[in-house]
Amino acid sequence: ETGVTQTPRHLVMGMTNKKSLKCEQHLGHNAMYWYKQSAKKPLELMFVYNFKEQTENNSVPSRFSPECPNSSHLFLHLHTLQPEDSALYLCASSQPGGGGTQYFGPGTRLLVL
Amino acid sequence: GNSVTQMEGPVTLSEEAFLTINCTYTATGYPSLFWYVQYPGEGLQLLLKATKADDKGSNKGFEATYRKETTSFHLEKGSVQVSDSAVYFCALRKGNSKLTFGKGITLSVRP
Repeated sequence: ETGVTQTPRHLVMGMTNKKSLKCEQHLGHNAMYWYKQSAKKPLELMFVYNFKEQTENNSVPSRFSPECPNSSHLFLHLHTLQPEDSALYLCASSQPGGGGTQYFGPGTRLLVL
Repeated sequence: GNSVTQMEGPVTLSEEAFLTINCTYTATGYPSLFWYVQYPGEGLQLLLKATKADDKGSNKGFEATYRKETTSFHLEKGSVQVSDSAVYFCALRKGNSKLTFGKGITLSVRP
């Protein structure tokens, strides 16, 4: 399998649940990203990892907790989410540094009830 | 800071019509410029890119030319198809900075 994969593709959770989103890339990249895409809003960059180290956190609430155990895998752990967190969560990867093209996964469509 | 401005949408065209989607940017120096496309129910896919002034990116019949003098990267296609219906995002990246996206524009093509 090639490219960037995300699981699950769809997730419904209650505000008290704990769930995790998974992203895996088969491109040999060393940078990985989480984005949030809400209806009628620009894409929001949430987190950036370079060589497994978090290099950017764009003021994301602590109810979102990323984890990058190696350069090929990225997780987003979710707990006590709010309905306004319902969105499409996109993972991307690239080579680190400037000019690297980002390749996106298909996203996880999250609904928080 | 860096920013990308896309024309307001949505855009609805008939099949085989000519398409132009405007994109302008604000950045110092020479950023790399990108168009991404998001088909219904999917993530973003890189459509084309250009990394220096006067470069033309092209893919699947789409083209965009990096115009430094007008700070623009307009997307064009001579004859759109129903299968081109999607959301199109213009983006830039300057050096080691993150990608900066425009708001995206929805294109609907009628048979």
